[in-house]
Amino acid sequence: EDQVTQSPEALRLQEGESSSLNCSYTVSGLRGLFWYRQDPGKGPEFLFTLYSAGEEKEKERLKATLTKKESFLHITAPKPEDSATYLCAVRDGGYNKLIFGAGTRLAVHP
Amino acid sequence: NAGVTQTPKFQVLKTGQSMTLQCAQDMNHEYMSWYRQDPGMGLRLIHYSVGAGITDQGEVPNGYNVSRSTTEDFPLRLLSAAPSQTSVYFCASSADGDQPQHFGDGTRLSIL
Repeated sequence: EDQVTQSPEALRLQEGESSSLNCSYTVSGLRGLFWYRQDPGKGPEFLFTLYSAGEEKEKERLKATLTKKESFLHITAPKPEDSATYLCAVRDGGYNKLIFGAGTRLAVHP
Repeated sequence: NAGVTQTPKFQVLKTGQSMTLQCAQDMNHEYMSWYRQDPGMGLRLIHYSVGAGITDQGEVPNGYNVSRSTTEDFPLRLLSAAPSQTSVYFCASSADGDQPQHFGDGTRLSIL
């Protein structure tokens, strides 16, 4: 069965303290892994798409990487404005086989 | 840019009532989807559409109906509301099957 698991469920960091979020997946045929950011009371906001193992994408303090079984979202020197829930989703097969993980709630304190 | 617009933002219903959640996008996207988000769970697909006049069921379609008469609009109907349908509902759109989805800000629905 297709499955996406994110860890940890919640993460508290001090400003400037780098860390990584994990997204592990089991799908029969990966057609893209997506990272989204979700702020309270808002819809998910697209960050990155990764398609193949070894691929990396960067945006400001965020860097996403992909292996055959998991993806990492690395946060370098985070700021309080990086506080949000980060969602991972994988696309398996057809267009709308988009499977989401439960997310990681990140809190960055000054 | 409006993007994906959902109305209403909040709604309280009584068990057995029906209602329609509205979703409109101004990006001329062919693909549109409805998800529900519950605490501790990932977003789950309810229904989706790959173009006007074409809809299909997702993971959790029971109790919901959709139609797509125009490219811009994709309403979600609750036929007879049940407390288990208390959730936050998100509409999303994308240009095609390989592009990332753009989400609205959700409708928070409580059913008493």
